[in-house]
Amino acid sequence: DAGITQSPRYKITETGRQVTLMCHQTWSHSYMFWYRQDLGHGLRLIYYSAAADITDKGEVPDGYVVSRSKTENFPLTLESATRSQTSVYFCASSDSQQMNTEAFFGQGTRLTVV
Amino acid sequence: KQEVTQIPAALSVPEGENLVLNCSFTDSAIYNLQWFRQDPGKGLTSLLLIQSSQREQTSGRLNASLDKSSGRSTLYIAASQPGDSATYLCAVKGANNLFFGTGTRLTVIP
Repeated sequence: DAGITQSPRYKITETGRQVTLMCHQTWSHSYMFWYRQDLGHGLRLIYYSAAADITDKGEVPDGYVVSRSKTENFPLTLESATRSQTSVYFCASSDSQQMNTEAFFGQGTRLTVV
Repeated sequence: KQEVTQIPAALSVPEGENLVLNCSFTDSAIYNLQWFRQDPGKGLTSLLLIQSSQREQTSGRLNASLDKSSGRSTLYIAASQPGDSATYLCAVKGANNLFFGTGTRLTVIP
């Protein structure tokens, strides 16, 4: 199916464990983004990628690592999960950052760190 | 840093009423503004995209306006329906980010 998919949809993990959230898009969009959504803060950018092998920090990157070896995939890794990283994570993609194009979002991953 | 504010935070209206959701932003240097809908536990669905050079966009019962100089956008929903109940988010596109407001939770009462 065309679109942007995230996996898993739900995840419970323990403090200190490494967790990887997956994001896959079928449009070959150049830009991909990871956001977290928390009550009272709205959506905040964690990392973004302009193309394969090009990534950069967003507003709240601490504790997260990303990679983009292929255009269609943009995994987000929590190296050592903390309770403050309990959140809903959204992946997004867009065709080009500078042009006026839409951003499309995945369904989200609800992560609970206990 | 870009700050995006949405007022009101929550709104309840009877079915059939026309309504306006507001979005304001502090930095007028934007590429575009996008309105999204989010249903509980779901992802974001794009409703309308207004480019920085445009004043408004329409899709069905939805009309979004943009006044870049004053840092404001409105989303007008005509003849509201219970199915319109959701959280509506506006986002402005800067150089490397989409800056989001915290949303307006809309409830349309049958």
